[in-house]
Amino acid sequence: EVQLVESGGGLVQPGGSLRLSCAASGFTFSSYGMSWVRQAPGKGLEWLSGISGSGGITYYADSVKGRFTTSRDNSKNTLYLQLNSLRAEDTAVYYCANEGVATKSGVFDIWGQGTMVTVSS
Amino acid sequence: DIQMTQSPSTLSASVGDRVTITCRASQSIRSWLAWYQQKPGKAPNLLIYRASSLESGVPSRFSGSGSGTEFTLTISNLQPDDFATYYCQQYNSYAWTFGQGTKVEIK
Repeated sequence: EVQLVESGGGLVQPGGSLRLSCAASGFTFSSYGMSWVRQAPGKGLEWLSGISGSGGITYYADSVKGRFTTSRDNSKNTLYLQLNSLRAEDTAVYYCANEGVATKSGVFDIWGQGTMVTVSS
Repeated sequence: DIQMTQSPSTLSASVGDRVTITCRASQSIRSWLAWYQQKPGKAPNLLIYRASSLESGVPSRFSGSGSGTEFTLTISNLQPDDFATYYCQQYNSYAWTFGQGTKVEIK
């Protein structure tokens, strides 16, 4: 079964750091680009970052550039998001998502269940 | 970044209705547009990609059209399971961006 499972969310103080993980199974992880998307409570979806299958290319939204870092370990079939200098407005459910290939490259056809990050003192 | 604007923000409809949601891009994205459905507390689910291609397993009552800057998602014969929030997403160029969402409510 194709599956993405996020972990690592929780309560963190403003200015703090957190690392999220996304464990993949059921597909050839290294063949696919991956992304992180978040959703603040009651709000819409916001794409944050993407990474190529090899991990050699990364992309970031302006809102998180310089604060968040995406990486992957293909030997462990795991995607990571390092969140630094966290702010209250970073409070959200964080999803990892698999990007498709060919005409679906950039399309999120597999999503994890999400992990909640709360930034509060 | 490319801005995506959906309309309406909320739509009230009845079972059996045909509903249309519009998504406009701030610049041409050719046909690189996807549509997702999201239910409360759940991750989004892909419906349509490349503007009009139906994702495997998605009912045929969902259809997409458009190119350039204007796109539509149509749900014909609305079913109880279709009451949800719908998002468009452009993947023409980074940063990928989503519309703000359209909530389809029961009238």
